[in-house]
Amino acid sequence: TQLLEQSPQFLSIQEGENLTVYCNSSSVFSSLQWYRQEPGEGPVLLVTVVTGGEVKKLKRLTFQFGDARKDSSLHITAAQPGDTGLYLCAGERVPRGKLQFGAGTQVVVTP
Amino acid sequence: GAVVSQHPSRVICKSGTSVKIECRSLDFQATTMFWYRQFPKQSLMLMATSNEGSKATYEQGVEKDKFLINHASLTLSTLTVTSAHPEDSSFYICSAPIPRGGGETQYFGPGTRLLVL
Repeated sequence: TQLLEQSPQFLSIQEGENLTVYCNSSSVFSSLQWYRQEPGEGPVLLVTVVTGGEVKKLKRLTFQFGDARKDSSLHITAAQPGDTGLYLCAGERVPRGKLQFGAGTQVVVTP
Repeated sequence: GAVVSQHPSRVICKSGTSVKIECRSLDFQATTMFWYRQFPKQSLMLMATSNEGSKATYEQGVEKDKFLINHASLTLSTLTVTSAHPEDSSFYICSAPIPRGGGETQYFGPGTRLLVL
């Protein structure tokens, strides 16, 4: 059962445009992580959000955690070709450390 | 630099043979590691939790006799795919937690691409 719904599944935009990826669930998670994965490689952690309503910024990336800790969003401002990749959200389950991944959003940024 | 390594990075084997994949934590100890499987164009699915000094715990639907896990030391977990079949072809990824800022951060290995002919 897929507990985390990510949308959209695929996003193709031009360099300089903005984009938002959503991660929604009916379950509450103790924390939620966002990863980026390149083809043939393991996921690389971008951010962990823990507190409901939390907003974190990482350069051009802004992450929000919903007040109820069930949903999250990733917003990229002025996307660059280097932002191309598979973006995955993952909720931390009990016992601690077990991650439930969303299906992923493939982002393609063209010059 | 990498904090979790995997070996081999890719392996091709014949149907019916067994394949061992290693996951190592570099410069830190991990009493727990996690094994995931990722099919093409799909997300990561947790297979099992590897526990140092005790049996692994498997997710529902994952055959423990087919996917043998041994957490031999605080820096090494191995996943052995026994009697591999073409449907076992996948990208296998491990992760290990590192304490960070009062919590834990999962670091993932680079993955092992398995192709069963």
